[in-house]
Amino acid sequence: AQKITQTQPGMFVQEKEAVTLDCTYDTSDQSYGLFWYKQPSSGEMIFLIYQGSYDEQNATEGRYSLNFQKARKSANLVISASQLGDSAMYFCAMRERYSSASKIIFGSGTRLSIRP
Amino acid sequence: GAGVSQSPSNKVTEKGKDVELRCDPISGHTALYWYRQRLGQGLEFLIYFQGNSAPDKSGLPSDRFSAERTGESVSTLTIQRTQQEDSAVYLCASSLELLYEQYFGPGTRLTVT
Repeated sequence: AQKITQTQPGMFVQEKEAVTLDCTYDTSDQSYGLFWYKQPSSGEMIFLIYQGSYDEQNATEGRYSLNFQKARKSANLVISASQLGDSAMYFCAMRERYSSASKIIFGSGTRLSIRP
Repeated sequence: GAGVSQSPSNKVTEKGKDVELRCDPISGHTALYWYRQRLGQGLEFLIYFQGNSAPDKSGLPSDRFSAERTGESVSTLTIQRTQQEDSAVYLCASSLELLYEQYFGPGTRLTVT
């Protein structure tokens, strides 16, 4: 079963609009961490934002915010006022702290394209 | 400070040869991870090291793959008897501890001909 699901393989958004990238996860652990990474065409992986399962508030980092809905097991990334430089692949990832598998799991990614 | 570095940046090898990929994590980071990313696909977890604990090798795809780490520093990923399906970008990442954000290196692009 998929542990991390990103249902949007690709998205097109007009510059300056806000965009939401979906991520749902599956875990039976109570303690886990959720991450979003950006991968531009150059290939490097850039950490964007982190949400701990016990964090009561949604994480925010500049134009990035994470819409964390624990009961629904969703961790959507919201990018406000999108810019051309936001065009990239975006990966959602989860780390289960006490899982016997003990590994970081990445989703399949969403390719975001910003139109001028 | 220096980020995660990997070498070589590109490696072309013939099928059947062994290759070694190197990763230098950020100083002080106790956790180190290896991932594989095939063209146009997401990241596939291979192995991680956390301090002096036994590594989690659950993601290694076959016994041709192995990795070592010296203390909390350099790690090498070795692929023996390479196959064409091993062609991918191999990414290394390190983090301060588990559950902390990972910082990625630039990757090694491996091409097996």
